[in-house]
Amino acid sequence: DTAVSQTPKYLVTQMGNDKSIKCEQNLGHDTMYWYKQDSKKFLKIMFSYNNKELIINETVPNRFSPKSPDKAHLNLHINSLELGDSAVYFCASSQLGGGNEKLFFGSGTQLSVL
Amino acid sequence: GQQVMQIPQYQHVQEGEDFTTYCNSSTTLSNIQWYKQRPGGHPVFLIQLVKSGEVKKQKRLTFQFGEAKKNSSLHITATQTTDVGTYFCAGPSGGYNKLIFGAGTRLAVHP
Repeated sequence: DTAVSQTPKYLVTQMGNDKSIKCEQNLGHDTMYWYKQDSKKFLKIMFSYNNKELIINETVPNRFSPKSPDKAHLNLHINSLELGDSAVYFCASSQLGGGNEKLFFGSGTQLSVL
Repeated sequence: GQQVMQIPQYQHVQEGEDFTTYCNSSTTLSNIQWYKQRPGGHPVFLIQLVKSGEVKKQKRLTFQFGEAKKNSSLHITATQTTDVGTYFCAGPSGGYNKLIFGAGTRLAVHP
């Protein structure tokens, strides 16, 4: 069983479209995250949710809206996609949350905005 | 804001050579973590160091945490082609509420 699964794996879309990425974890963790990895491999945190509550929102444009229906799921909706949104988006989870815990990452969603 | 600096950005080695990547923080860290990302893959947790001066080994990989808990290193002895990937260090932010990653060191191993 995959611990952190996200779909789709690839997403190719036109500028201006709206798209969603879904993430689910079966580890029983309380905290989930979205990270963005750019073309230079730099990993930057976007959001963090602890038990459905938003904990971290890292100066991300409000076109990005995370939603956590329950603590096992964290989805990412992106409105009005721009070229600069092209990147790999990783969902991750940790037991409790914070910077002292290891992260379990999903396999990533490669988003290409044309 | 707090940064975790990592060098080198790239390293090309011949199979069998050693490899080291270094990580430095502007502030004292409560812990440092290391992750490996294979090409096309996702970051996978390798290890966490917590104590000042701590050294941990995993087969050919040796991890060190500096005495001041501001720097760390990962050393691979006798690299193999399976070591190819990007190695990231990561440490907690000043508020301890999130993990911030270094820029990563991309390792290429030539057979």
